[in-house]
Amino acid sequence: DSGVTQTPKHLITATGQRVTLRCSPRSGDLSVYWYQQSLDQGLQFLIQYYNGEERAKGNILERFSAQQFPDLHSELNLSSLELGDSALYFCASSEGGGLYNEQFFGPGTRLTVL
Amino acid sequence: AQSVTQLGSHVSVSEGALVLLRCNYSSSVPPYLFWYVQYPNQGLQLLLKYTSAATLVKGINGFEAEFKKSETSFHLTKPSAHMSDAAEYFCAVTTNFGNEKLTFGTGTRLTIIP
Repeated sequence: DSGVTQTPKHLITATGQRVTLRCSPRSGDLSVYWYQQSLDQGLQFLIQYYNGEERAKGNILERFSAQQFPDLHSELNLSSLELGDSALYFCASSEGGGLYNEQFFGPGTRLTVL
Repeated sequence: AQSVTQLGSHVSVSEGALVLLRCNYSSSVPPYLFWYVQYPNQGLQLLLKYTSAATLVKGINGFEAEFKKSETSFHLTKPSAHMSDAAEYFCAVTTNFGNEKLTFGTGTRLTIIP
């Protein structure tokens, strides 16, 4: 158990819908990262927040957005969902802000878009 | 921009044999390199990382990797494979310059033959 929690574990929805994925980092970690893992694209870094501020951005679509709240939990919002958005979405956390810090991964949320 | 290439999407070794998983990187600035392992239905776990200190890095579960700048490689090895090593392994690269982003390879699935 990494100490990172993600909810829900599974999510099934329809095209065009909007969903919110939630992540709680390990106690004391200030950074939260979001990743997408799919058969087509592999494992891709989406975005990083550090202590409430956006720190680094990867291949995140404009239909996707994220935020980190004062209690340090984070949410990833996916809107206007397409079939190709079906993937496993991981959250990770680390103590520091640099990407070279060890990241601890949650178990993931499996999103299925029908 | 940095990238990593993992040679061999599937590798099979006999129990007790040497494990060698290959990773080559491309980066215009000094890289930080990582190996992660993903067990079925779980998130990623850091095996080891290179952050410009010793070129031979020892990680968890008996794995180690050697950073070779001349060959732009960071191959993962373990002297004696164990059944519990069966998993998917990802090499990743980032830098400490500019817009940091952790870039993953496509992964290598390791199968252990009893």
